[in-house]
Amino acid sequence: DTAVSQTPKYLVTQMGNDKSIKCEQNLGHDTMYWYKQDSKKFLKIMFSYNNKELIINETVPNRFSPKSPDKAHLNLHINSLELGDSAVYFCASSQGPSGGNTEAFFGQGTRLTVV
Amino acid sequence: AQKVTQAQTEISVVEKEDVTLDCVYETRDTTYYLFWYKQPPSGELVFLIRRNSFDEQNEISGRYSWNFQKSTSSFNFTITASQVVDSAVYFCALKRSNYQLIWGAGTKLIIKP
Repeated sequence: DTAVSQTPKYLVTQMGNDKSIKCEQNLGHDTMYWYKQDSKKFLKIMFSYNNKELIINETVPNRFSPKSPDKAHLNLHINSLELGDSAVYFCASSQGPSGGNTEAFFGQGTRLTVV
Repeated sequence: AQKVTQAQTEISVVEKEDVTLDCVYETRDTTYYLFWYKQPPSGELVFLIRRNSFDEQNEISGRYSWNFQKSTSSFNFTITASQVVDSAVYFCALKRSNYQLIWGAGTKLIIKP
């Protein structure tokens, strides 16, 4: 059973489109995250939710909007996609408030390519 | 400043050699946590180890070992008798007392057969 699953794994879309990436965790964790990994492999946190509440919102264009319907799900919606949005997006989860001192478990990543 | 430095961008060794990946961190926090993650070519991020700032014991897990030294703010990772399957990008990360997670830039490890 996959602990953190995100779909789709690959997403190719045209500039200007709106797309969503879904994430679900079955670990019972309180905290979920979205990360962006650029072509140089640098990992940058975008958002963090704890029990469905937004706790970290880094400097991310407001075209990116996370949605957490319950603490097991954290979806990422992106409006008006731009070429620079092309990257791998990772969902992750960890236990405890703000993730506590525990490690994060990651989904397999979604490779988004904007053409 | 709070940061994690992995000075080695890329390391290439021949199989069966030992290799050490360096991680140096900066933080003013007295309580913090350090992590290593592996990202193989398939792309997923795999958790390897967590260490808290009060536990300076080194850890060994099979061919993997970690050397945590607070005096030098380092948390280095050694792979003994490397194998081709160890080829991956390895990330070191620091979680501060306010739970902010700071990532290093990663070290790409290439193990040649």
